[in-house]
Amino acid sequence: KAGVTQTPRYLIKTRGQQVTLSCSPISGHRSVSWYQQTPGQGLQFLFEYFSETQRNKGNFPGRFSGRQFSNSRSEMNVSTLELGDSALYLCASSLSPYSGGEETQYFGPGTRLLVL
Amino acid sequence: KQEVTQIPAALSVPEGENLVLNCSFTDSAIYNLQWFRQDPGKGLTSLLLIQSSQREQTSGRLNASLDKSSGRSTLYIAASQPGDSATYLCAVGISGSRLTFGEGTQLTVNP
Repeated sequence: KAGVTQTPRYLIKTRGQQVTLSCSPISGHRSVSWYQQTPGQGLQFLFEYFSETQRNKGNFPGRFSGRQFSNSRSEMNVSTLELGDSALYLCASSLSPYSGGEETQYFGPGTRLLVL
Repeated sequence: KQEVTQIPAALSVPEGENLVLNCSFTDSAIYNLQWFRQDPGKGLTSLLLIQSSQREQTSGRLNASLDKSSGRSTLYIAASQPGDSATYLCAVGISGSRLTFGEGTQLTVNP
């Protein structure tokens, strides 16, 4: 079974631009979550999508948004990029996170975004 | 607000040594606790998941315990190998698939 895939793997943008990152979950998984990882802040939760609905949202500005499609693939978008948005963006998928805490989350390799 | 702390931040041991990584969390209302490893520049690999009703989980040379009442978890690695060198991350599940992570313990196992 293929793992979680993320595209692109590397991205260089300039301040003020916008970017869209893509995540394809493991086949059959319905939940996708996004995280930002930086050396200073560590891993921080961005948002979670389950059955095309945003179920949880972290403490990030409205420039960060996401969506999930009917095939469970998810995209996240960052508008008006800032230097501080440079980070490794990770997505994770799980079968169904609302089944009592027994679902392992599987992470993709990440998209490394550099904002110049 | 849930906070997760991992001690130590870094650890260097000789090959073959048994070791313990520690994780503490402030709010005992958790769904589960997961341990991950991360190799430099890579994504996270799930090692063990302990549901909130469980006390421990084992996989090969790894054993993780959970004490919800005291807000603590430990990851025990037996007979460490150079290939175990990585950053180990503890994460608590608090709602749905939302995880709160610790800062990690960077482990180096020297041959």
